Amino acid sequence: GENVEQHPSTLSVQEGDSAVIKCTYSDSASNYFPWYKQELGKRPQLIIDIRSNVGEKKDQRIAVTLNKTAKHFSLHITETQPEDSAVYFCAASPQGSARQLTFGSGTQLTVLP
Amino acid sequence: EAGVTQFPSHSVIEKGQTVTLRCDPISGHDNLYWYRRVMGKEIKFLLHFVKESKQDESGMPNNRFLAERTGGTYSTLKVQPAELEDSGVYFCASSHGGDRGEKNTEAFFGQGTRLTVV
Repeated sequence: GENVEQHPSTLSVQEGDSAVIKCTYSDSASNYFPWYKQELGKRPQLIIDIRSNVGEKKDQRIAVTLNKTAKHFSLHITETQPEDSAVYFCAASPQGSARQLTFGSGTQLTVLP
Repeated sequence: EAGVTQFPSHSVIEKGQTVTLRCDPISGHDNLYWYRRVMGKEIKFLLHFVKESKQDESGMPNNRFLAERTGGTYSTLKVQPAELEDSGVYFCASSHGGDRGEKNTEAFFGQGTRLTVV
């Protein structure tokens, strides 16, 4: 089955700096890659996703890149703000949707003011 | 629109006892998923319902776990008897039918039930 590795497990950045979280996956059939953000005490929420027919997707300060050949994808947050502090999870699915999601172990991002 | 709701938010039980977790998905969502996160590790898939049918239960750890989705609405996850290693946060998520186009693929999560077995 699919295996998703996520790094780093913790990341601290200064406010205004960029943050990058990386994930690798094992199943070449995976074609849907969402990123979820979980703030303390709240539910995981989808912040951005990408499909295998696209190499990059951007939404304001958040971008995701996908390298199908190397089977890795990354989340980039620019101009970080304290409210970006949360646990971020990457995930992969072979069904182009939320079905059969395999998650990474999460990254605790702390943005220092 | 109401989100996915889970009950209870926290549960502390003794080893050997039974606990039942409940999930109310977003109205109209055919897909309902159960996940579990053990301390500091990944969110692991447990099972997937499409309406009232179990589509995939390959992630259920053992036969002490029983999930139901009566009438294709809310779902329950029962752990009987509970063991120490069952402690963790149990998440429920729901999504629209997967064949209705990309815009309906997002899985909406509940806030989770934190289960502690002592």
